[in-house]
Amino acid sequence: DARVTQTPRHKVTEMGQEVTMRCQPILGHNTVFWYRQTMMQGLELLAYFRNRAPLDDSGMPKDRFSAEMPDATLATLKIQPSEPRDSAVYFCASGLGGALPEQYFGPGTRLTVT
Amino acid sequence: DQQVKQNSPSLSVQEGRISILNCDYTNSMFDYFLWYKKYPAEGPTFLISISSIKDKNEDGRFTVFLNKSAKHLSLHIVPSQPGDSAVYFCAASPNNNDMRFGAGTRLTVKP
Repeated sequence: DARVTQTPRHKVTEMGQEVTMRCQPILGHNTVFWYRQTMMQGLELLAYFRNRAPLDDSGMPKDRFSAEMPDATLATLKIQPSEPRDSAVYFCASGLGGALPEQYFGPGTRLTVT
Repeated sequence: DQQVKQNSPSLSVQEGRISILNCDYTNSMFDYFLWYKKYPAEGPTFLISISSIKDKNEDGRFTVFLNKSAKHLSLHIVPSQPGDSAVYFCAASPNNNDMRFGAGTRLTVKP
């Protein structure tokens, strides 16, 4: 049963601390996406990768957020320093891209910054 | 800049009746549209999609309609079931990868 996994599922941290969220995409998927869900904005695209190369990170606050894919089985989203306004649910999704645009989402990481 | 808009934050229907969820978009470059369903504490799951070359796509109880001239799409669920109660997200893509989501509509189907 192939699925996207995300860790941690929940994270509570204090303002100013570094937060790292991890995602394992479905094996064989070549596109990986990071989204943030907030009440007001719904699902915001933060960044996405194809074949581990970043294609678009225009939705991400550059000064504090960074996204990487160290290898094909791991994607990371890092916030440093974290702020209370970063509190949200962060989703990772993966897909095959091209003619099959459907994305498969992980369960999300609920981040609370106090 | 909300390129995909779901103007109804919530919808309540009776079991067995039709649920109609609406979505509007502003970017004429979008050529692929999808609906996702999300239960609490889970990630969104893909439900149904439609390409811009079509105006209707049907899958069981779910049908998506696309009106390109109006930049509007809708999801019809017939008949609605209590298990359909979830948040539904509309999504659109200009290139089959970069996808923009609406804010979601919470559907409640009452027994």
